[in-house]
Parts: sequence; C-alpha cells; structure tokens
Amino acid sequence: QVQLVQSGAEVKKPGASMKVSCKASGYTFTAYYMHWVRQAPGQGLEWMGWINPNTGGTNYAQKFQDRVTMTRDTSISTTYMELSRLRSDDTAVYYCARDLYDSGPRFYMDVWGKGTSVTVSS
Amino acid sequence: EIVLTQSPATLSLSPGERATLSCRASQSVSSYLAWYQQKPGQTPRLLIYDASNRATGIPARFSGSGSGTDFTLTISGLEPEDFTFYYCQQRSNWPLTFGGGTKVEI
Repeated sequence: QVQLVQSGAEVKKPGASMKVSCKASGYTFTAYYMHWVRQAPGQGLEWMGWINPNTGGTNYAQKFQDRVTMTRDTSISTTYMELSRLRSDDTAVYYCARDLYDSGPRFYMDVWGKGTSVTVSS
Repeated sequence: EIVLTQSPATLSLSPGERATLSCRASQSVSSYLAWYQQKPGQTPRLLIYDASNRATGIPARFSGSGSGTDFTLTISGLEPEDFTFYYCQQRSNWPLTFGGGTKVEI
C-alpha cells in the first residue's frame, strides 16, 4: 500500500538545523510531487513548499525561502526537508504529503506521513 | 497571500444532524479549494478537492460547494467519528494556504 515513513522526533537548540526524511513506498516515487506541511502545537496547518522528485525542482513558501531546502534521493525513494537557523517558534510536527495526481500536480495532498515532531529549545 | 477564514470556530451538534462549515477566501480562488479532516493525534485526510469533488473512499455524506470566495463543507447526518477538526486549503495562488480550522463537537 502507499506509505510515507518519516524519520523520528528531534530536539534542537535555537540556531541549529534540522533535516527530516520521508521514505515513500507503494507507488512510483518520481511521479508525484511531495509537499511539506507543518503544524505547531494546538495550531493549524502551514504549507512550506514542494519538491518534484523527478526533476528535483522546488517551490518554497516565501516565509521559509531563505531557511529551507528540499531534496530527494531517487535511489531510495526518499525526500528530505532541511530547515536552518531554528527558532523556538519552529517547534512543530512536520509532515510530508504526496500530491493528489501523478499526471501533473494538483497541489492538494492525499497521502500523508505520520509526522515528525521537532522541538526547538535551549 | 490568500487568507482563508473558517467559521464558525466551533460547531456544536448532535449525531445525525447536518453540519455546515464555511470557508471564505480573501480573494477569489475560483474552484481551487480543498477540505481536510484531522482527528487529534492523526494526520489530515483529504475529503474534497476542487470545491466539490470527493476524494477516493470518502463517504457520500460529505459534500462541498462554492466558488470564488465562499465555500461550504456539508456533512449530512453526523456520525460519531465525524466530530473532529476540519480545514480548508486553497491552491489558486502561492503560497498554498490553509484556513484556521473548525472544530465539530458533540
């Protein structure tokens, strides 16, 4: 079955960087864009950007433009999201989420990873 | 960026009743709007996309309508598992944005 398996929880100090992985299985990895979305404790959802696993092309939300990098390794069907210069308000659950369609992205998300909890604290 | 405002913040209903959730966009998003359900401690689940299309496996009691700036998610006949959080999301403009959510409670 289609599955996205994310890396485990992290605790980081302010100013550090984090890198979350998302391993896909059960479908053609390069056919679907992958989004990253975060959710702060008790808050709503915030889109961070997407990566095209086929080309490596990316599109980031302007809010994160200077701090986020999304990459992929097609040999192991895995995407990565790295966020630098962490602040306390980056404390959140980070989700990878597959785009809805394979024949051109629709920018809706139909399969989600279980999330990676990241705590930023001194 | 496009701001999505969901109302009400909390909707108190009983099982079997009809739920009507609203999502208003700060500018037109055409029909490029989705609805997600999220249960506490779980991942979001896509319910509706392009305003009115049910995602795969979503029960027929969930329906979406609207275009432009005003959208509605209707749950006709609430089941016990429907009492949770709902979010709208637009894909008309970058960045993709979500609404603040509506909690449907018993």
